[in-house]
Amino acid sequence: EAQVTQNPRYLITVTGKKLTVTCSQNMNHEYMSWYRQDPGLGLRQIYYSMNVEVTDKGDVPEGYKVSRKEKRNFPLILESPSPNQTSLYFCASSLPGRYEQYFGPGTRLTVT
Amino acid sequence: SQQGEEDPQALSIQEGENATMNCSYKTSINNLQWYRQNSGRGLVHLILIRSNEREKHSGRLRVTLDTSKKSSSLLITASRAADTASYFCATDAWRDDKIIFGKGTRLHILP
Repeated sequence: EAQVTQNPRYLITVTGKKLTVTCSQNMNHEYMSWYRQDPGLGLRQIYYSMNVEVTDKGDVPEGYKVSRKEKRNFPLILESPSPNQTSLYFCASSLPGRYEQYFGPGTRLTVT
Repeated sequence: SQQGEEDPQALSIQEGENATMNCSYKTSINNLQWYRQNSGRGLVHLILIRSNEREKHSGRLRVTLDTSKKSSSLLITASRAADTASYFCATDAWRDDKIIFGKGTRLHILP
C-alpha cells in the first residue's frame, strides 16, 4: 500500500531535549516536505527536499533541521525544542513537477 | 508570501445543497490545488488546476481558476455528511518549489 508513515504519532517532551520525528514513504517520490499546523494559521511549510541531499527552507524553518540521505526518508530534527514548537506536524511526498502531495497521519508534539 | 486565503472560514449547509468555497492568492502561480482534511488527520489531495486552465471537474467537485483576479473556487455539488471536513487551497509558483497553504474553510454538512 502506497503510504507516508510518521513516527512517533504523539510526543510530549521538555524544553531543550533533542528529538527526531521520522518520515518514510514507499512511493519512490523525489519531493518530500514537512509542515506544521496550528489553529488559525493553516499549514506552514518548514523544509522541503527535491531529492537526496537537496533540502531547502520553507516559510518557517527556524528551530528545525532536516536531512535527506535516502530517497524514502526525511527526518525532522528539533535540536532544542521550545514550547512555541508545540504543534501538529505533517510529512508529505510527491513526484517532481506534480505537486499532488501524499500526507502522513501527523505527529502531535507537545513541548513543556 | 503568496499564501492563499480561503473564504469563508466556516460554512454550514444542509445535506444535498451545494457548497462553494473560495481561495485568493497574492502572486502569480504555477498550480493551485485543493485538499481535504478530516479532523486532525492528514490532508488528502482533491484536485489540481494549472495556471493555464480555467475549470476542472472531478466527480462532484468543480474547480475554477481566475488568474486575473488571483482567485479560485471549489464547488462541491449535492453535499453529503461525509463531506464535513476542512478544505485548503495550496499554491506553488514558477521557479519556486515551495508550496503555500491557506488557512482553510471548515465545512459542516447538516443532516
